[in-house]
Amino acid sequence: QSVLTQPPSASGTPGQRVTISCSGSSSNIGSNYVYWYQQLPGTAPKLLIYKNDQRPSGVPDRFSGSKSGTSASLAISGLRSEDEANYHCAAWDDSLSGVVFGGGTKLTVL
Amino acid sequence: EVQLVESGGGLVQPGGSLRLSCAASKFTFSSYSMNWVRQAPGKGLEWVSYISVSGRTTHYADSVKGRFTISRDNAKNSLYLQMNSLRDEDTAVYYCARGGGSFAYCDYWGQGTLLTVSS
Repeated sequence: QSVLTQPPSASGTPGQRVTISCSGSSSNIGSNYVYWYQQLPGTAPKLLIYKNDQRPSGVPDRFSGSKSGTSASLAISGLRSEDEANYHCAAWDDSLSGVVFGGGTKLTVL
Repeated sequence: EVQLVESGGGLVQPGGSLRLSCAASKFTFSSYSMNWVRQAPGKGLEWVSYISVSGRTTHYADSVKGRFTISRDNAKNSLYLQMNSLRDEDTAVYYCARGGGSFAYCDYWGQGTLLTVSS
């Protein structure tokens, strides 16, 4: 049971816009930055979004992050087949004094 | 480009010990905090431990507190994870990841090393 809650799966067709949610509490998302990681099949995770809505260099602007209260979202516009991956959200938790992850969302491009 | 190479994984019996290593290169290792993150087969990511630049500050997930110890040798550009009293549920791929200004920030990851705890 993960501290942050994500839907286990999401899907979309090429060109569509999809969003993945990440729900937490006041001790994690509500008071700390949210990070998103993309994990392509069989590979290590890759930083996709940091500090709620910032993209590292090299990450396409099709990917965007947002946060409101104790929830966060990752949006992917202009969906492409290569976006098929697992997406994980993460945040520091003040109560646990540790980093907490969501359970991950498997995105399928139909 | 930044390189992180984990090693030391393998098959260990429950109750056993193992030390994982992570060799860092192509960046100034002594200037970055580091993390260990693991992923059990078919499961999501689980943060394991954090260590500050100097090594003086460490944090652990409750699931490993008291059993695992994170350390670093800045002179050798290396990160370590000493794992004792291993349990079946510690079976996972263990990744080392370079940290940044915030605890949950991991901008570069190694390829991972597999630990299997089984009798």
